[in-house]
Amino acid sequence: GAGVSQSPSNKVTEKGKDVELRCDPISGHTALYWYRQRLGQGLEFLIYFQGNSAPDKSGLPSDRFSAERTGESVSTLTIQRTQQEDSAVYLCASSLLWSVTSNSGANVLTFGAGSRLTVL
Amino acid sequence: LAKTTQPISMDSYEGQEVNITCSHNNIATNDYITWYQQFPSQGPRFIIQGYKTKVTNEVASLFIPADRKSSTLSLPRVSLSDTAVYYCLVGPIYNQGGKLIFGQGTELSVKP
Repeated sequence: GAGVSQSPSNKVTEKGKDVELRCDPISGHTALYWYRQRLGQGLEFLIYFQGNSAPDKSGLPSDRFSAERTGESVSTLTIQRTQQEDSAVYLCASSLLWSVTSNSGANVLTFGAGSRLTVL
Repeated sequence: LAKTTQPISMDSYEGQEVNITCSHNNIATNDYITWYQQFPSQGPRFIIQGYKTKVTNEVASLFIPADRKSSTLSLPRVSLSDTAVYYCLVGPIYNQGGKLIFGQGTELSVKP
């Protein structure tokens, strides 16, 4: 697609429920990132995927959080047993990686509009 | 990963030039400097990227001194619509890239 697409745009859930957030990156972008942004705060890194390499999960705040990505396509962020502190906007971004044929746009992140999660 | 430090907030008036400086004392040889702009309820969007000296595009200029331990985003003649949060990001672009850590950003408020 032309941009990064995220769904749902808004999700209201009850404490203890599981939620699944989806990110559809720009076609051809091998790198994919998830960030969390609480109200009035900066972006908190969650997880990074690069092609078929093992993802960097160092930012996931607890084992209730997990993410998957098949190849260079759609990614899903799953939050199990949601807590009120999980309420935030979850942002997905994708990017090209540098190559010998083109160094323009490398590691320039294109963000989706985000998924706003509210846990009651 | 290079840590970045920016002012938390800045105020300006329409028509003025705004300079936002970011410190990144432990920047690595392969690191590039990228600036993003974020409006409320939107994801950040790319403004400009550079490695050294000066880079200019249609919306901003980026000044990077020889030691590369800081960088300055310059916005010429700001308008009310430039009110946003600006993030400085430092990270590699070669080979495998890697996770990119955002700092707290600078909240720019442009007044009439």
